[in-house]
Amino acid sequence: NAGVTQTPKFRVLKTGQSMTLLCAQDMNHEYMYWYRQDPGMGLRLIHYSVGEGTTAKGEVPDGYNVSRLKKQNFLLGLESAAPSQTSVYFCASSYSDYGSSYEQYFGPGTRLTVT
Amino acid sequence: KNQVEQSPQSLIILEGKNCTLQCNYTVSPFSNLRWYKQDTGRGPVSLTIMTFSENTKSNGRYTATLDADTKQSSLHITASQLSDSASYICVANQAGTALIFGKGTTLSVSS
Repeated sequence: NAGVTQTPKFRVLKTGQSMTLLCAQDMNHEYMYWYRQDPGMGLRLIHYSVGEGTTAKGEVPDGYNVSRLKKQNFLLGLESAAPSQTSVYFCASSYSDYGSSYEQYFGPGTRLTVT
Repeated sequence: KNQVEQSPQSLIILEGKNCTLQCNYTVSPFSNLRWYKQDTGRGPVSLTIMTFSENTKSNGRYTATLDADTKQSSLHITASQLSDSASYICVANQAGTALIFGKGTTLSVSS
């Protein structure tokens, strides 16, 4: 049982390049989330999904797109990377939604630098 | 504005000592309060989740308290160990809407 895994662990992009971050979970969770963590700030929600084939915007969605084609995978895409997207990205999953007391399980993170 | 404030920002203690971290939140409607531990270079790991009706919850040497009336929570660490060195994040659940994350308290335990 690997929990939540993220690929890649590190990446350096040049401004304007694109990339996709992959998140996978093996806990059969319905809900999946993408966060970014910046120095001096709390985690901020980028996008989330309440089930296979669904996506929704979070607090800071601009410049990102997501897809949830399979229940176990949640992809985060950057179409044209900008230096402001330099951050550590965390994926998380949970059995149920914000209104419940179910835990969110986090992945190990992807450290992205955009030059 | 929905927000979570934590204090102190950072803390250094000697191994074996106790410490208490504070969290104040202004989140409405409120559902539950969570504490996470985040080791350097790792993802956050849940320590406790308390609903508004719970006053205290323990997880080993970690004890969280919640006062929903004053909108305050604390995390008490007993007999600290070197492995307790981490960032501790307080998170308020805005019921049915979002998790509001604090900036965290960085704890360093020295020998």
